[in-house]
Formats: sequence, C-alpha cells, structure tokens
Amino acid sequence: KQEVTQIPAALSVPEGENLVLNCSFTDSAIYNLQWFRQDPGKGLTSLLLIQSSQREQTSGRLNASLDKSSGRSTLYIAASQPGDSATYLCAVAPVGGGSNYKLTFGKGTLLTVNP
Amino acid sequence: AAGVIQSPRHLIKEKRETATLKCYPIPRHDTVYWYQQGPGQDPQFLISFYEKMQSDKGSIPDRFSAQQFSDYHSELNMSSLELGDSALYFCASSYPWGPLHFGNGTRLTVT
Repeated sequence: KQEVTQIPAALSVPEGENLVLNCSFTDSAIYNLQWFRQDPGKGLTSLLLIQSSQREQTSGRLNASLDKSSGRSTLYIAASQPGDSATYLCAVAPVGGGSNYKLTFGKGTLLTVNP
Repeated sequence: AAGVIQSPRHLIKEKRETATLKCYPIPRHDTVYWYQQGPGQDPQFLISFYEKMQSDKGSIPDRFSAQQFSDYHSELNMSSLELGDSALYFCASSYPWGPLHFGNGTRLTVT
C-alpha cells in the first residue's frame, strides 16, 4: 500500500527566504506526482504536476523535482512571500488501475511566511 | 475559466439523516472523483466515474453511494449519517491523463 510522508509537518520562515518542502513515497510505481496548495477550509489548487518520466517542473517561483527510484520529491519555493502561507500537499497517482487520479496524499506541510 | 462547482458549500445534518452533495465538473471533463478530508487529515479517495460509469472505488462506506449523470454532473448520497462523517468533501474532474482540478468542497457537519 502506497504511503506518502511529508517533512517537515510545519515550517515558519521570514519573508524572502528560499525554502524546500520534502515528500517521500514508498512505492515507486507511480504515474505522476502532484504538489497542491490548500488554504484553510478551502479546496486544493494544483501547483505542479510531474510525470513519472520527468525529473522536474517549474512554475514561477516554484520548482518541483522527482527522483522516482528513491521515492522522493522536493518543492522549492524561492523568495517566499506572506501570501505563500498555506498547507502544501504532495500526492502520487498509481500506475494502471481504473482511475488515473486515485491519489494518495501526504499529510501536508503547514507553511507560515512571516512579514 | 470555468472551475469545478460543488453545492452546497456548507451543510448541517443530524445523525441518521441523509445528505446529497452535488458536483459539476469542468465542461468536457469526462472523469469525476470524490475525496473526503476529515479535520486535520489528508484527503482520502472515495470513488470515481468515467463516462458515467464507476471506474474505481476507495474507502467509501456502504452507507454512501454516488453516480454520474448524462450531463456529467455527479452526486454523492450519504445515508444514516454519523458524527464521523463530518468532513470536507471534494469533487475533482479531469480529462483522461489530464491535470486534476478540485472544487472548493462541501463542508458537512453532522450533529
């Protein structure tokens, strides 16, 4: 059974810092990996999606890497801003099966960026 | 751009009552997914539909049922509600192999 772990569980940084969020998964047979952002009581916003054949994806100040063989992904946020404060969730999609997005989520990293 | 629409946004029910949650996927998305997120928990996959047929099932209680209609909207029906059913229920939609888009969720409170 796939298990996804995110470290750290919470992170507080001053504005302007670069930071890294970590995600690890136990079964490397994944179709893709996604990073999501969730604001309190709100839905999930997809930030980056990395296909299993890719090594990284970039969007603005965000960069996500994937090392499928070691079961790890990192989300790098450059020049953090208070508006980046949210919970960041990592999720993996399995290979095959009936659904492309029967996702297994990690428990998330709660990020606070202090002005 | 159109997003995934869920209704209602908030729902309060008593134990043993029935609740119906609705999801309207992004136009031309043919796959719908339902997730449950308990307080302080990560989202858990419940069930999915592709072209109006159930495509996969996760940890969905027998008290819950769902379907996708001819216009591709989906409904999650929950009966004999329990206190532990209080959660955020998310719907998501996608093309096959396309990015997954989530709605803002329905917050169900069972009292």
